[in-house]
This record gives sequence, C-alpha cells and structure tokens, in this order.
Amino acid sequence: GEQVEQLPSILRVQERSSASINCTYENSASNYFPWYKQEPGENPKLIIDIRSNMERKQIQGLIVLLDKKAKRFSLHITDTQPADSAMYFCAVHSGGSNYKLTFGKGTLLTVTP
Amino acid sequence: EAAVTQSPRNKVAVTGGKVTLSCNQTNNHNNMYWYRQDTGHGLRLIHYSYGAGSTEKGDIPDGYKASRPSQENFSLILELATPSQTSVYFCASGDGQGAEQFFGPGTRLTVL
Repeated sequence: GEQVEQLPSILRVQERSSASINCTYENSASNYFPWYKQEPGENPKLIIDIRSNMERKQIQGLIVLLDKKAKRFSLHITDTQPADSAMYFCAVHSGGSNYKLTFGKGTLLTVTP
Repeated sequence: EAAVTQSPRNKVAVTGGKVTLSCNQTNNHNNMYWYRQDTGHGLRLIHYSYGAGSTEKGDIPDGYKASRPSQENFSLILELATPSQTSVYFCASGDGQGAEQFFGPGTRLTVL
C-alpha cells in the first residue's frame, strides 16, 4: 500500500514565525492531499487540502504546496500563534477505486510566546 | 458539518474478552472508517465500508472485525481482546473518493 513519510515529528517555533511540515508519498497516481489538525484530547479536523490539479493553495495563514514530480507536499503556517500548537497530520488518497486515506505519523507543533 | 458519534468513550476490557465499539453518523455519508491512533504511528486504518452491508479490510485488520448494518452505523469488534489493542479508536465518515473525512470524538480502549 501507500507509504507516507512526514517530517519533522517534533517542531518548536517562536510566536509570529513560520512553521513548515513536509510529507512525501510513493504512488504517482495519488490525487488528494489533506492536512488535519488535532488538539490534545480532540479528534482530527481537516484544515486545508489540495488536489493533484493544483500546485499551491492558501487559506488565510495556511499554505499548501504540491510537487507531483518529487511526490512531495508541504504545509506552511505563517505568523504562528500559540493556538496553532497541536498535532498535524498529512494524508494521501492514492486514487483508483478505493476510498482510503493513508496518514503520516504526525508532527507535534509547539508555538512558544 | 457531519455529526459522528462513538460509544463508549472509554472502555476497560480484560484480555480474551469481546469488545464492541460503535459509531453512528447522521449525515448520510456512504463511507465509514475505523482507525486506531498510537503514539509514533499516527492514524492507521483498520476497516472501512462503502455502504450498508459492506466491509473492507484496511491496512491493519488482524484481530478486528467490522459490521455495517445500516447507512448510519458501523461497529468495530474485537472478538478476543489483547493488551496490544490498547489504543484510541476513531471512527470517521466521508461521502466519496478523496473527500473530507469527519472524525468522531474517539474511544479510549484499555485491555488489561
């Protein structure tokens, strides 16, 4: 099956700086790439996603970049705030007739004042 | 927003016992999923379903069964629970290929 590598596993940044998380995948047919945020004790929630027909997407301070040739996508959080502290997961849908998402192992982001 | 609920929210079971985790969604989504979340492993797919009556094996199905008796309900069954199945289990629903998955609140299962 699909393999998704997510790095770094732990990320600590100062308030108002940027944070970047990177994911790579194996299947060139993959076509959907969501990012989920999970706060402590809560369930994962979708924060932004990108499809394979796009290279860049931005929602407010969140930017996703997709490089299909390199099979790599990334999440950039600009002007971070302590409220951005959470676990972040990337995921990949590998296309075809299945409906599965394969998740990365997660990045624990801490934003310090 | 899709409403996904899970019961129980917490469960303590004994080794060798049978455990059933239940999930209900009210947004009429065709697809439902069961994941487990463990530190260092992220979210791993156990079973999923395309609709009532269907169940499919995910990436880590061993030791688990699933049941989808209706559009709204999807259960995960541990026939003979083992301590290695201690985890947080999340149910999710979605309405199509590549679409957003909505997660339930999770069930914390401890097998002693």
